[in-house]
Amino acid sequence: GQQLNQSPQSMFIQEGEDVSMNCTSSSIFNTWLWYKQDPGEGPVLLIALYKAGELTSNGRLTAQFGITRKDSFLNISASIPSDVGIYFCAGRVIKAAGNKLTFGGGTRVLVKP
Amino acid sequence: DGGITQSPKYLFRKEGQNVTLSCEQNLNHDAMYWYRQDPGQGLRLIYYSQIVNDFQKGDIAEGYSVSREKKESFPLTVTSAQKNPTAFYLCASSTDLGQPQHFGDGTRLSIL
Repeated sequence: GQQLNQSPQSMFIQEGEDVSMNCTSSSIFNTWLWYKQDPGEGPVLLIALYKAGELTSNGRLTAQFGITRKDSFLNISASIPSDVGIYFCAGRVIKAAGNKLTFGGGTRVLVKP
Repeated sequence: DGGITQSPKYLFRKEGQNVTLSCEQNLNHDAMYWYRQDPGQGLRLIYYSQIVNDFQKGDIAEGYSVSREKKESFPLTVTSAQKNPTAFYLCASSTDLGQPQHFGDGTRLSIL
């Protein structure tokens, strides 16, 4: 199946910091989605992107659809403790078999001790 | 409120036993999905259904079965053939394949 490489796999945040994570693929995507999962719950959709170059914000979150259509990044500005969780990217490949989404492996965001 | 309901939240299975996980949605979505999530891992697709009375295998379908007799419901059976069933199971739905998926809160299955 399609591969989505998400990095970093984990990161520590300090309150007030800006943090960034990204997702890359060898295939061209026509949709990029970013989800957040809190412990013991299902992922919740944060941002959806549909056009190359698109930059979309949702509060302190900003995501961009890469120009090459093979990558996307998510920024969190002025992080707060409740930003802790797992962030997943997901994408849909043009002409994918079954037209399904593919999910990245997740970026685990933790608070610096 | 519209949403996806998974039940039970926690489930225990004995060796050699089949168990069924429930997933119901009232979002009027055509497509539904089942994922498995192991600790510290991403989501792996088990089965998906684009429309009532139709479903397709995902990446890890062995040891699982599904049915889609109603638009609102997509139950997953974990059979005794699944040798490592302990995991967090997530159900999702979307208006159509490839559209943003909305997730339930999951069922955690453990082996006694």
